[in-house]
Amino acid sequence: EIVMTQSPATLSVSPGERATLSCRASQSVSSNLAWYQQKPGQAPRLLIYGASIRATGIPARFSGSGSGTEFTLTISILQSEDFAVYYCQQYNNWPPLTFGGGTKVEIK
Amino acid sequence: QVQLVESGGGLVKPGGSLRLSCAASGFTFSDYYMSWIRQAPGKGLEWVSYISSSGSTIYYADSVKGRFTISRDNAKNSLYLQMNSLRAEDTAVYYCARGVYSVTTFAFDIWGQGTMVTVSS
Repeated sequence: EIVMTQSPATLSVSPGERATLSCRASQSVSSNLAWYQQKPGQAPRLLIYGASIRATGIPARFSGSGSGTEFTLTISILQSEDFAVYYCQQYNNWPPLTFGGGTKVEIK
Repeated sequence: QVQLVESGGGLVKPGGSLRLSCAASGFTFSDYYMSWIRQAPGKGLEWVSYISSSGSTIYYADSVKGRFTISRDNAKNSLYLQMNSLRAEDTAVYYCARGVYSVTTFAFDIWGQGTMVTVSS
């Protein structure tokens, strides 16, 4: 099973600043990685797949990069609606599909 | 609009059974693979099961293998999860999720609102 590790667990950022979230895989997942955003009481929302492809309707301030075992989600200019928990998910070697433990982006 | 609506959650005793349903609308259900994904209270996301668009390919997480059964009825635009021998650790919000329209990308672009399953005596 591929283990996905996200860091940091919590990221404190001011609105208008840049946020950089990390996701590491226990073995290479090529570019088969997705990112999701989840707000309290809501279902997750797909942001990025293929490590860097924005899903339909996702603003350009969200960008993904990386391949192999190291991945980054960058939110270029944080808006108030971006404060949420973010999860990465690999789909290179499955079953099982595996998610990271999440990074909470909170207001500084 | 494109929508998934889960139902069937509730409170059940350890060892009991529940059947979750997910009604799809606004898209051609038979074109998409589907999954169930769960989230224990205050925890992260855990993939539970996958079913291909035709229903011919099915996978389960080890934690539910032999106890849960995924199925679909494309004529009724519905996905199901039969859960038997339930344990306290199965307590979670269960989401049904639609796969991205691709044969190589196994990510999920549409999610239901979730249905809560609580296993407790």
